[in-house]
Amino acid sequence: DTGVSQDPRHKITKRGQNVTFRCDPISEHNRLYWYRQTLGQGPEFLTYFQNEAQLEKSRLLSDRFSAERPKGSFSTLEIQRTEQGDSAMYLCASSLVTTSGKDTQYFGPGTRLTVL
Amino acid sequence: KQEVTQIPAALSVPEGENLVLNCSFTDSAIYNLQWFRQDPGKGLTSLLLIQSSQREQTSGRLNASLDKSSGRSTLYIAASQPGDSATYLCAMRDANAGKSTFGDGTTLTVKP
Repeated sequence: DTGVSQDPRHKITKRGQNVTFRCDPISEHNRLYWYRQTLGQGPEFLTYFQNEAQLEKSRLLSDRFSAERPKGSFSTLEIQRTEQGDSAMYLCASSLVTTSGKDTQYFGPGTRLTVL
Repeated sequence: KQEVTQIPAALSVPEGENLVLNCSFTDSAIYNLQWFRQDPGKGLTSLLLIQSSQREQTSGRLNASLDKSSGRSTLYIAASQPGDSATYLCAMRDANAGKSTFGDGTTLTVKP
């Protein structure tokens, strides 16, 4: 397996349109995370899944945002009625949670969203 | 609520110099800590992970330390090279191995 992949890598859309991003985690990983990063800032947590269950959502994740992870494999992040403030890099990460504390988050290349 | 601060925001050094990047955090109840590297417009590459029970980890020219009592972590880079130029981010994983809280990073420039 070559790591976490994200599609598309770049998305330009007009304000008010809906967009959907896909993340494919490392195959044996049971946790999948979404973060958002704006220029000059560190990534901010959006939500995460353990298998198919969504365990936590940030207050940043307004009702225009929805994430799914059907069958505990890939995940999608949808933004409805996009706003210019949604322009950011959307990062996906995955990890294999164990009891040892050693599990590492591996990040994908990100999807850069530009809302015009 | 966990808060993570990285100082300085930017650092420029000549090639060959040893350097230390700093990360401070407010909540010591963490699962682990990771240091990442990010090149412009790219995703994050994991450099080192320190478990909550550990005090340091080493990989090649990199050494990371963790002091939960003072709420500090450092990343030491030995014999810096121009290829080390990037933004370095530290991230605290919360106690249930859920989300990570990131600092805003230190942008390092190593001049030939």
